[in-house]
Amino acid sequence: GQNIDQPTEMTATEGAIVQINCTYQTSGFNGLFWYQQHAGEAPTFLSYNVLDGLEEKGRFSSFLSRSKGYSYLLLKELQMKDSASYLCAALDSNYQLIWGAGTKLIIKP
Amino acid sequence: SQTIHQWPATLVQPVGSPLSLECTVEGTSNPNLYWYRQAAGRGLQLLFYSVGIGQISSEVPQNLSASRPQDRQFILSSKKLLLSDSGFYLCAWTSGGAHTGELFFGEGSRLTVL
Repeated sequence: GQNIDQPTEMTATEGAIVQINCTYQTSGFNGLFWYQQHAGEAPTFLSYNVLDGLEEKGRFSSFLSRSKGYSYLLLKELQMKDSASYLCAALDSNYQLIWGAGTKLIIKP
Repeated sequence: SQTIHQWPATLVQPVGSPLSLECTVEGTSNPNLYWYRQAAGRGLQLLFYSVGIGQISSEVPQNLSASRPQDRQFILSSKKLLLSDSGFYLCAWTSGGAHTGELFFGEGSRLTVL
């Protein structure tokens, strides 16, 4: 079956760095996506990786290893507004998104 | 620019009552349209998707249905709600053509069935 695993909850300190991991098992693979979702709101797109390596976008970076079925989202210089859930999703061979349950990130002052 | 809007934002319905959620997209043509449901602590569950007017694909057997009467309008309906239908419903779109993963979501509709 198809599956996405990510931690349920993480806590970090304002100004620090946090890495949210995601492992996936899908029928075929056409890319890995990260979305941010604030409580009570809709998800918003953060990043897309289809090739191995690190993609940097400001304070956020996303990494992919296709051979390991593994990705992570790296958030630097954490701000209170980064408190949200982070959703990992993989695009399978049928171009359907398989979603993880999300990682709730709590930022403490 | 493209915008997506869905309504109502919040509703509380009794078991057995009907449901209608509506979603419209502006600023693009022939979008792929999606209805997702998000239960607490769960990943997004794809309910329906549509690649064109009148073309609906159902991903999960249930008492819900979807319709696309116009290019940029997508409606989620039920004739009789169940308790298990409670959740956060999200409409989303992507550019037409092959499915992609970069989805643009509406504001969401929170449904509570009592």
